[in-house]
Amino acid sequence: EVQLVESGGGLVQPGGSLRLSCAASGFTFSSYAMNWVRQAPGKGLEWVSAISGSGGSTYYADSVKGRFTISRDNSKNTLYLQMNSLRAEDTALYYCTKDLTYCTGGSCYSKNAFDIWGQGTMVTVSS
Amino acid sequence: QSALTQPASVSGSPGQSITISCTGTSSDVGGYNYVSWYQQHPGKAPKLMIYDVSNRPSGVSYRFSGSKSGNTASLTISGLQAEDEADYYCSSYTSSSTQVFGTGTKVTVL
Repeated sequence: EVQLVESGGGLVQPGGSLRLSCAASGFTFSSYAMNWVRQAPGKGLEWVSAISGSGGSTYYADSVKGRFTISRDNSKNTLYLQMNSLRAEDTALYYCTKDLTYCTGGSCYSKNAFDIWGQGTMVTVSS
Repeated sequence: QSALTQPASVSGSPGQSITISCTGTSSDVGGYNYVSWYQQHPGKAPKLMIYDVSNRPSGVSYRFSGSKSGNTASLTISGLQAEDEADYYCSSYTSSSTQVFGTGTKVTVL
């Protein structure tokens, strides 16, 4: 069964740091780009960051650029999000998502859609 | 990157069809065929319903269909059922190699 399980959320003071983890299982983790998507309480979805399968390419929303760092350890099938200089507006449920990918002729292409989601880990930034 | 624009709410009676719009710009929706749609029930993680504007993943009902014209994408739910009551979000790839979600639409089955 394909599964994503997030952990690492919690209560942190403004200006503090937190590292989220996402353990993947049931698929060849290194073959897929991965993303973090967040949802503030009672609000909509916001894309946060993405990383390629190899980890060589990373992308960030303007709202977190320079403060958050996405990374992955393919030997551990785990995705990370290092969050620094946290603000109240970063309070949200953080989802780990797998990229929908189409493979043909030995090459794989991202469909820029999220086909597998974890259940999320809650981050609360408050004094 | 501004969120894509969706109506806050759409409603319909069982059996009817409804359409949710998702308006962006030529730098996102209008520029790429990478529009996807997600269904989210209360307290649950989102579920992929449509990708590449109009493709359904395996297991998603044929009652869900997608289309695009210019900078606006649309999700149509035909034969509306009680279980379709949920929040729906569109998403698009952007010219900055990022993703952007829509503002979300609450679908109510009357």
